[in-house]
Amino acid sequence: AQSVTQPDIHITVSEGASLELRCNYSYGATPYLFWYVQSPGQGLQLLLKYFSGDTLVQGIKGFEAEFKRSQSSFNLRKPSVHWSDAAEYFCAVGNNTDKLIFGTGTRLQVFP
Amino acid sequence: EAQVTQNPRYLITVTGKKLTVTCSQNMNHEYMSWYRQDPGLGLRQIYYSMNVEVTDKGDVPEGYKVSRKEKRNFPLILESPSPNQTSLYFCASSLTYPQGGSPLHFGNGTRLTVT
Repeated sequence: AQSVTQPDIHITVSEGASLELRCNYSYGATPYLFWYVQSPGQGLQLLLKYFSGDTLVQGIKGFEAEFKRSQSSFNLRKPSVHWSDAAEYFCAVGNNTDKLIFGTGTRLQVFP
Repeated sequence: EAQVTQNPRYLITVTGKKLTVTCSQNMNHEYMSWYRQDPGLGLRQIYYSMNVEVTDKGDVPEGYKVSRKEKRNFPLILESPSPNQTSLYFCASSLTYPQGGSPLHFGNGTRLTVT
């Protein structure tokens, strides 16, 4: 069965530090991959998506993610975190025939 | 402004009292969906609709109803709410089905408490 795993429930970083949020998936075919961010009191907003082509994709707010087929991963990165990045981040995976599945989320806390 | 609007933002009710959470989108999207978000469980799909008059169950449809009489509206109905339906609810829409790559646009959520 298809699945999405975000192994880190909660991550704390200092402002200005680099960030990597992990996402692993189990899918039979090449999936479509998404990262969404949920700021406090808000709905989810699309950060970036990967369908095909270049495995390093750029998103909004300075985020990027890299698709690694061999590791079934789509990790989200940011070189320097800002306090406003504190939020919950969701990885989501789908393909043309199977429904979109969300991970359980990673809550990011940023210390000044 | 392109948006998904859901109301109310907060709702406290008692067991068994029917309620409706409204959802409207102004982007002419075909696909609409309801999710509930619970700690440690992420987002779980309740119902979805591929187009007007076409609805289908998601992962956790028990205790919920939906309708899609117009393209822009997709209300969520709880005929007899119970405490286990206390949750944060999100409505979302996309141009076409999201598993095919169409990004979802989310409302700001409705926090429901059933006592």
